[in-house]
Amino acid sequence: GENVEQHPSTLSVQEGDSAVIKCTYSDSASNYFPWYKQELGKRPQLIIDIRSNVGEKKDQRIAVTLNKTAKHFSLHITETQPEDSAVYFCAASSGGSARQLTFGSGTQLTVLP
Amino acid sequence: EAGVAQSPRYKIIEKRQSVAFWCNPISGHATLYWYQQILGQGPKLLIQFQNNGVVDDSQLPKDRFSAERLKGVDSTLKIQPAKLEDSAVYLCASSPELAGGETQYFGPGTRLLVL
Repeated sequence: GENVEQHPSTLSVQEGDSAVIKCTYSDSASNYFPWYKQELGKRPQLIIDIRSNVGEKKDQRIAVTLNKTAKHFSLHITETQPEDSAVYFCAASSGGSARQLTFGSGTQLTVLP
Repeated sequence: EAGVAQSPRYKIIEKRQSVAFWCNPISGHATLYWYQQILGQGPKLLIQFQNNGVVDDSQLPKDRFSAERLKGVDSTLKIQPAKLEDSAVYLCASSPELAGGETQYFGPGTRLLVL
């Protein structure tokens, strides 16, 4: 089955700096890669996703890049703000009828004021 | 639109007791998922339903966990008997029956503590 590895497990940045979180996946059939943000005690919320037919996607301060050949994808947050502090999870799905997500282990992002 | 609803939000039980969690997915979403999220880890899929049928329950510990979605809408997840290692957040998610509809929407979760 799919295996998703996520790095780093913790990341501290100064407010206004950029943050990058990286994930690798094992199943070359995976074709959908969402990123979720989970604040303490709250539900995971989808912040951005990318499909395998696209190399990069941006939404304001957030961007995701995908390298299918290397089987890795990254989340980029620019101009970080204290409210960006949360745990971020990457996930991969092989699609098809199952449409199951395999999650990474999470990155605790702390934005220091 | 209303989000995925779950109850209870918190539950504390002693080991060997039973517990049940309830989930109401987003209206019209055919696929429903139950995840277990242990502290410091990502969600791990327990079971996936498509309408009222099971798509995948390969990671559900069937000796103690059971789940049903009788009318293809609400779902319940039960643990009987609970063990200490079952302490976790149990998340329910749903996704629409659309081409490319992999996006999953999560509920707030039920935080279970087994003593």
